[in-house]
Amino acid sequence: SAVISQKPSRDICQRGTSLTIQCQVDSQVTMMFWYRQQPGQSLTLIATANQGSEATYESGFVIDKFPISRPNLTFSTLTVSNMSPEDSSIYLCSVDTGTGDEKLFFGSGTQLSVL
Amino acid sequence: AQTVTQSQPEMSVQEAETVTLSCTYDTSENNYYLFWYKQPPSRQMILVIRQEAYKQQNATENRFSVNFQKAAKSFSLKISDSQLGDTAMYFCAFNTGGFKTIFGAGTRLFVKA
Repeated sequence: SAVISQKPSRDICQRGTSLTIQCQVDSQVTMMFWYRQQPGQSLTLIATANQGSEATYESGFVIDKFPISRPNLTFSTLTVSNMSPEDSSIYLCSVDTGTGDEKLFFGSGTQLSVL
Repeated sequence: AQTVTQSQPEMSVQEAETVTLSCTYDTSENNYYLFWYKQPPSRQMILVIRQEAYKQQNATENRFSVNFQKAAKSFSLKISDSQLGDTAMYFCAFNTGGFKTIFGAGTRLFVKA
């Protein structure tokens, strides 16, 4: 298993600003994932972050809007840049511990509201 | 395209009763993994149960069990002896062994006292 600490838990931001979300894992993991959950909706994968390489973004998400860092095997950040009200969502960090069973462990999420 | 469909946006059940949440999926892969995740109001996503497609035996975890019908591409979740703490959003999901897990739209379950 993996214990994931994600912060901030929630934030209210002004339009045009940026917010960086941090994700800390209690063990070394290869794969880290960032998901967005828009109000009342399901989870959509933003990008996959591997240590030592550029993040891989899903269709509809771009690095300029959602830059990701992965400096080591236990930590990652997601920045939501130049925010607009449409960015108001829950952002979730998750990891695959690499045991081959494809289970995901999640952080507690960041509730972002953009005014 | 790989998709997951949960046709029940919302369900309710009386405490101690049994409820079944439906899920269907579409994939051309033969080997894959199916999951049910729970998201209570705290937002924390928690794995409830997992099924490997190559296993015919249905997975069971305490009060939670699945009915996996591979030919029908159906993967329902049965919750027995429902408890108030089971109130949550439940997401069906699958992974074909790559690094992308696809989630359904979710079913909101209310357990009534």
